[in-house]
Amino acid sequence: AQSVTQLDSQVPVFEEAPVELRCNYSSSVSVYLFWYVQYPNQGLQLLLKYLSGSTLVESINGFEAEFNKSQTSFHLRKPSVHISDTAEYFCAVRIERGKLIFGQGTELSVKP
Amino acid sequence: DAGVTQSPTHLIKTRGQQVTLRCSPKSGHDTVSWYQQALGQGPQFIFQYYEEEERQRGNFPDRFSGHQFPNYSSELNVNALLLGDSALYLCASSSMGGSGNTIYFGEGSWLTVV
Repeated sequence: AQSVTQLDSQVPVFEEAPVELRCNYSSSVSVYLFWYVQYPNQGLQLLLKYLSGSTLVESINGFEAEFNKSQTSFHLRKPSVHISDTAEYFCAVRIERGKLIFGQGTELSVKP
Repeated sequence: DAGVTQSPTHLIKTRGQQVTLRCSPKSGHDTVSWYQQALGQGPQFIFQYYEEEERQRGNFPDRFSGHQFPNYSSELNVNALLLGDSALYLCASSSMGGSGNTIYFGEGSWLTVV
């Protein structure tokens, strides 16, 4: 069965420090992976996605994630975080069209 | 280009009542999926509608039902509400054509059952 594990429930970090949010998945089918961000009291926004091709994918606001097939991981990184990055981050794997399996989420808290 | 829109944004219901939530998919999308996100949890797949039919269903009881209209919009209905149904209900849209791999979410409907 497909599943997603986010290894950290909370990640506190100081502003301008680097951060890594860890995600491991298990899937028996072709892998399409996503990171979504959820700001307080809001819906989910697509941050970045891996569908095929280059294993390193980037978002417009400085986040990047690397698909590692051998380690079944899709960790999210940012070299320097801002206060505005404080949010809940969800890793997800698409198992069928329109159907995602989500991890439990990682709460990123950026402190000044 | 309007994204995924949901209504209402917040509502409060009493145990045993029924609720209807509405969703309009992103322009060009024909597939709507519904997710339930309990507090502190990741979203859980409820079901998916395409061509006005339920195509897939997650592990939710029959109290949860839905509908898709010819214009691709969708409704989620929950009957005999329980306290445990309190959650954020998210609508997601995608396209069955093409790669159909990117799924976009609305802002959600916050349901509180008292």
